[in-house]
Amino acid sequence: QSALTQPPSASGSPGQSVTISCTGTSSDVGDYNYVSWYQQHPGKAPKLMIYEVTKRPSGVPNRFSGSKSGSTASLTVSGLQAEDEADYYCSSYAGNNINVFGTGTRVTVL
Amino acid sequence: EVQLVESGGGLVQVGGSVTLSCAASGFTFNYAWMTWVRQAPGKGLEWVGRIQSKTDGETTTYAAPVKARFTISRDDSRNTLYLQIYNLQTEDTAVYYCTTGGDWFDPYDAFAFWGHGTMVTVSS
Repeated sequence: QSALTQPPSASGSPGQSVTISCTGTSSDVGDYNYVSWYQQHPGKAPKLMIYEVTKRPSGVPNRFSGSKSGSTASLTVSGLQAEDEADYYCSSYAGNNINVFGTGTRVTVL
Repeated sequence: EVQLVESGGGLVQVGGSVTLSCAASGFTFNYAWMTWVRQAPGKGLEWVGRIQSKTDGETTTYAAPVKARFTISRDDSRNTLYLQIYNLQTEDTAVYYCTTGGDWFDPYDAFAFWGHGTMVTVSS
């Protein structure tokens, strides 16, 4: 099972929006609504930001939103803030009781 | 409050073995599917494998690259998850995290709770 493809980096100024893509195949992202997104600050454990494509866990700001079209999922961070600077990873269920992560995207707040 | 605390990491020689533990609290452990994820230094997250709950058959599934050398098990009486790694290779050097959705999230999707991780360094 290959890793999902994400752009290595993305950036935006405070207050702007940034969108990160996560491209898989018809066997993972394209076949299941089990796409989640994780934020990871340096030296810290990942934090769940979005699950089941569009849902936000309690405590995650509504500036974070998820979507999916075909085999590509996306995470949008609106109203960028300094604390949003981090690495972001997508994940998808890939069938046969297996999950796969994306390659990761470093978001920089300019 | 959900807590996951990994332990057992350290410096190991190539070809050796290690057993990592993850002590869980704050949720009904025996209902939860548990997953191991690793992260090599400076690299991304890699899904390693999961174990289902006993009521769901305690089935284990592994990522292809680790299938032959990794074993995941659980002791529900101790609320503890284990990962045994055999014939360690330098590419196994990583922080190993245990994670779960507890008994609130769909086990195929949301890794809602994470431990702080335990570092395994494989030396040649």
